[in-house]
Amino acid sequence: QVQLVQSGAEVKKPGASVKVSCKASGYTFTSYYMHWVRQAPGQGLEWMGIINPSGGSTSYAQKLQGRVTMTRDTSTSTVYMELSSLRSEDTAVYYCAREGGDGYNSFLWDWGQGTLVTVSS
Amino acid sequence: QSVLTQPPSVSGAPGQRVTISCTGSSSNIGAGYDVHWYQQLPGTAPKLLIYGNSNRPSGVPDRFSGSKSGTSASLAISGLQAEDEADYYCQSYDSSLSGYVFGTGTKVTVL
Repeated sequence: QVQLVQSGAEVKKPGASVKVSCKASGYTFTSYYMHWVRQAPGQGLEWMGIINPSGGSTSYAQKLQGRVTMTRDTSTSTVYMELSSLRSEDTAVYYCAREGGDGYNSFLWDWGQGTLVTVSS
Repeated sequence: QSVLTQPPSVSGAPGQRVTISCTGSSSNIGAGYDVHWYQQLPGTAPKLLIYGNSNRPSGVPDRFSGSKSGTSASLAISGLQAEDEADYYCQSYDSSLSGYVFGTGTKVTVL
């Protein structure tokens, strides 16, 4: 079965960077795009961006452009999300999610368990 | 700030039917992009509930149904059960933002 296993919780100071990993198993890693979504405490879901594990191409939410970088390692079937210049508003649970569907009509089929990132001085 | 608007909360007695609206605009739902729905139980990751406006993944009860018309979409839950108490989110694509967007979220309470 499909499994997306994310790295553990992180505590970072304002201005620092964080890198969250998401290891995929149970399917052909390079055949499905991967999204990142975050959820601040008590708030709704926010789409962050998408990566094509095959070629490595990415597309990011306009709000996060310049601060977010998504990469992948096909040898370990792992995708990474790095967020820089952290501020308190970046405190959230970060999810990776495997895409289903086609193109702009894609949906998020399988989700990781989430990684809590806390930004605090 | 989400471009897809949902009511903050809806409630119903066990066995009743409730609906959740998701209102967008001409750059997302009205542009013809599909709407998908997710259920998030407390303390857990979201789960795909409806995809492609009205399709249920395997294992999702047929009590859940989705529809789309114009610039809006709806999720209906019939025969409401205690286990349906959760947060629900719609999702689509927005051409103005060149990205995917979620609704504001709706908390369903079973009375």
